[in-house]
Amino acid sequence: DTAVSQTPKYLVTQMGNDKSIKCEQNLGHDTMYWYKQDSKKFLKIMFSYNNKELIINETVPNRFSPKSPDKAHLNLHINSLELGDSAVYFCASSQGTVADTQYFGPGTRLTVL
Amino acid sequence: RKEVEQDPGPFNVPEGATVAFNCTYSNSASQSFFWYRQDCRKEPKLLMSVYSSGNEDGRFTAQLNRASQYISLLIRDSKLSDSATYLCVELGGGSNYKLTFGKGTLLTVNP
Repeated sequence: DTAVSQTPKYLVTQMGNDKSIKCEQNLGHDTMYWYKQDSKKFLKIMFSYNNKELIINETVPNRFSPKSPDKAHLNLHINSLELGDSAVYFCASSQGTVADTQYFGPGTRLTVL
Repeated sequence: RKEVEQDPGPFNVPEGATVAFNCTYSNSASQSFFWYRQDCRKEPKLLMSVYSSGNEDGRFTAQLNRASQYISLLIRDSKLSDSATYLCVELGGGSNYKLTFGKGTLLTVNP
C-alpha cells in the first residue's frame, strides 16, 4: 500500500540511450512533481503537474519530457542520456497546491556510464 | 547568493544533547517554510512546518524570524534515531511558487 511508488529503483545505462522512469501515487492527490537530487545533494524541482496539466517547468533540458496520462501517474522520459544526468530522481505528490505537504517516492538512482 | 543556505555540518552530538540548526533565505517574499528530514539513501519527509509565532512538536521546535530572514530548528534530548539530514525548505511567492530546498545539515547522534 505504498503511497508514492517509482520504478525502477535503480537504472544503469549507457550515454546516448533513452530511458523512462514511472511514478504512481494512490493518495488521490491532484498535483505531482519530479525532483532531481544531484551528487552534491541539492534537491531541485524539475516539473509539476496538476490534474494532468503542466504547472511548473524549470530550466530543464528538453531531453527531459514528463507525461501524465492521468492524475495518479507522472512519468519522466529522458532522451540521449548524458553523464551529467546521473542523479537520484524523486517523484512526489501533494493534495492540491505546491503549499500542501508533499509526499515523496523512494527515488530512482540513475547512473549514466 | 543561494536562495536557501544551511550549515552543512556534520553535527556529531551525544544522545540526550540539544542541537540547533539555522537556515537563511534570500527571498523576502517567501510565503512559507518547512523542515524536511532525509535519512541516508531515502526520500525526504516533512518534519514540520515553520510558523512566525514558532511552533513545537514534541522534542522539536521551529522558529521563523522574517526580519532577519532565518529559520531555526531545535532538537532536544537527541535520540539515535534523529540521525539524518535536515533540509530547510522555502515556498516562494509569485512566479517562484515552488519549494526550494537547502542543501541540508547532516546530524549524527552518537550513543
